[in-house]
Amino acid sequence: ELKVEQNPLFLSMQEGKNYTIYCNYSTTSDRLYWYRQDPGKSLESLFVLLSNGAVKQEGRLMASLDTKARLSTLHITAAVHDLSATYFCAVDPSSGYALNFGKGTSLLVTP
Amino acid sequence: GAVVSQHPSRVICKSGTSVKIECRSLDFQATTMFWYRQFPKQSLMLMATSNEGSKATYEQGVEKDKFLINHASLTLSTLTVTSAHPEDSSFYICSAPFRLNTEAFFGQGTRLTVV
Repeated sequence: ELKVEQNPLFLSMQEGKNYTIYCNYSTTSDRLYWYRQDPGKSLESLFVLLSNGAVKQEGRLMASLDTKARLSTLHITAAVHDLSATYFCAVDPSSGYALNFGKGTSLLVTP
Repeated sequence: GAVVSQHPSRVICKSGTSVKIECRSLDFQATTMFWYRQFPKQSLMLMATSNEGSKATYEQGVEKDKFLINHASLTLSTLTVTSAHPEDSSFYICSAPFRLNTEAFFGQGTRLTVV
């Protein structure tokens, strides 16, 4: 059974600080996704990581993938309040678009 | 870009009644769609894979007689929650892969409340 573990599950950070969210998964996969979810809303796609060593950046967020370590990271740089949301990583173990999600990281950015 | 539309966005129903949720791919065809369920403050769990023209594939622990899935066309999958109970109250989200892309696109989600 594929396990996707995210940590931390809860994160409160001050504006302007940096932090990293980690996503470990238990089986081989070439596809890893990061999503943002605001309360009451569906998922917003942030990053699609398809190969070992992939690094993608958008604004204050940067995601990376190490398939050998089965680890992805989502790094937040100089956090702002607008980044407050829940962030999910998800793995597609069979490249068939059915996703296994981590438990999510609830991020709160405070002044 | 590819769009997946889900309807309704919110529904309240009485215990014992059935509710149908629609998932449409608006500008592409999807032979496969996925249905997820998300309880409050929890993650998304895959419920079933909807296959156009054939039976859906359900994940372990999901009652296929309770969650009826129909994928009658290349752009529409429906999830019917039969004999709904309060414990079925949840956020249901569908997704559809756009084959030229490397990810599936998610619908807006449906908040089901059973009273």
